[in-house]
Amino acid sequence: AQKVTQAQTEISVVEKEDVTLDCVYETRDTTYYLFWYKQPPSGELVFLIRRNSFDEQNEISGRYSWNFQKSTSSFNFTITASQVVDSAVYFCALLEYGNKLVFGAGTILRVKS
Amino acid sequence: GAVVSQHPSWVICKSGTSVKIECRSLDFQATTMFWYRQFPKQSLMLMATSNEGSKATYEQGVEKDKFLINHASLTLSTLTVTSAHPEDSSFYICSAYTEKAVLNTEAFFGQGTRLTVV
Repeated sequence: AQKVTQAQTEISVVEKEDVTLDCVYETRDTTYYLFWYKQPPSGELVFLIRRNSFDEQNEISGRYSWNFQKSTSSFNFTITASQVVDSAVYFCALLEYGNKLVFGAGTILRVKS
Repeated sequence: GAVVSQHPSWVICKSGTSVKIECRSLDFQATTMFWYRQFPKQSLMLMATSNEGSKATYEQGVEKDKFLINHASLTLSTLTVTSAHPEDSSFYICSAYTEKAVLNTEAFFGQGTRLTVV
């Protein structure tokens, strides 16, 4: 069965600090997709990134970067120079080919000014 | 990118009444849609998989008679919370995607519906 673990329940940082959110997944499939979503207080899920299992290149998008390592089944998310607006709940999710999307428990990120 | 629209975004209803939530895929056909439920400060838990033209598949512990799902067309799935009670108050989110949509779209989740039963 597929599983996503976000061990960090809550992280608090001060503005401008870098922060890394961890995500570890389990799957038996060789084809799968990994996602990160941001959920602000409004509740809507904001898509951040999608990565398929055959693409292990790390990605950078502005202050966001992702480190995908199949060897450790991890897909970690780093925010550089965090800002108060980054405060939200962040979910990592796994989609196996032809299957349903499974979410991790989420990490609450609080960025203080 | 493709968009999934969910309506209403919030609803308050009296205990014992039924509430219908709609999920539409706006520019792609979704043979499969998913309904999630999220309690405060918790993750999204899959309730059921909605298949166009056939019965929904419910996850363990989800009452099918309580949460009626109808997938009448390739662009519409509805979730009806029947005889709602305060414990049904939650945030409900739908998701619709095809393999192509997964590869090409960023937005295949609805905006969510916050249900409050009083």
